[in-house]
Amino acid sequence: KAGVTQTPRYLIKTRGQQVTLSCSPISGHRSVSWYQQTPGQGLQFLFEYFSETQRNKGNFPGRFSGRQFSNSRSEMNVSTLELGDSALYLCASSLSWTGIGETQYFGPGTRLLVL
Amino acid sequence: DQQVKQNSPSLSVQEGRISILNCDYTNSMFDYFLWYKKYPAEGPTFLISISSIKDKNEDGRFTVFLNKSAKHLSLHIVPSQPGDSAVYFCAASAVRGNEKLTFGTGTRLTIIP
Repeated sequence: KAGVTQTPRYLIKTRGQQVTLSCSPISGHRSVSWYQQTPGQGLQFLFEYFSETQRNKGNFPGRFSGRQFSNSRSEMNVSTLELGDSALYLCASSLSWTGIGETQYFGPGTRLLVL
Repeated sequence: DQQVKQNSPSLSVQEGRISILNCDYTNSMFDYFLWYKKYPAEGPTFLISISSIKDKNEDGRFTVFLNKSAKHLSLHIVPSQPGDSAVYFCAASAVRGNEKLTFGTGTRLTIIP
């Protein structure tokens, strides 16, 4: 069974631009979560989608948004990029929503560099 | 406010010895805990989990211990192998609460041959 895939793997943008990252979960998984990883902050939760609905949201500004499609694929969008948005963005999928203790399986991440 | 803390950013252990990674949490609503392992350029890989109704869970060389009164969990790896060199994250969630996973900042484990 194919794992979680994320595209693109690497991305360079400039301040003020916007970016869209894509995540395809493991087949059959209906929940997708997004995380930001930076050296100083570790892994921080952005949001979780289950059945096309946002179930949970972390403490990130409104510039960070996401959505999930009927095939469970998810996209994350960051508008008006700032230098501090440079990070590894990880997507994780699980069979159901993580509130019932479902194990998440992570993709390789998208490395975003904002110049 | 860091609700899940891994106070040791790095740890070096001799091959064959026991590796002990520690994690502390502050949110008493957390009732489900997980450990992930991360190699460079890869996403985290699930290792082992424990529910708050248990105090120990074992899977092969990996054992997780939970001390609820101290709000502390630890991951024991024995015997340690070179392939265990990676960054280890602990994570917690409150199934009855906010549900989202809260991660620690990670501990880089280096196994010395």
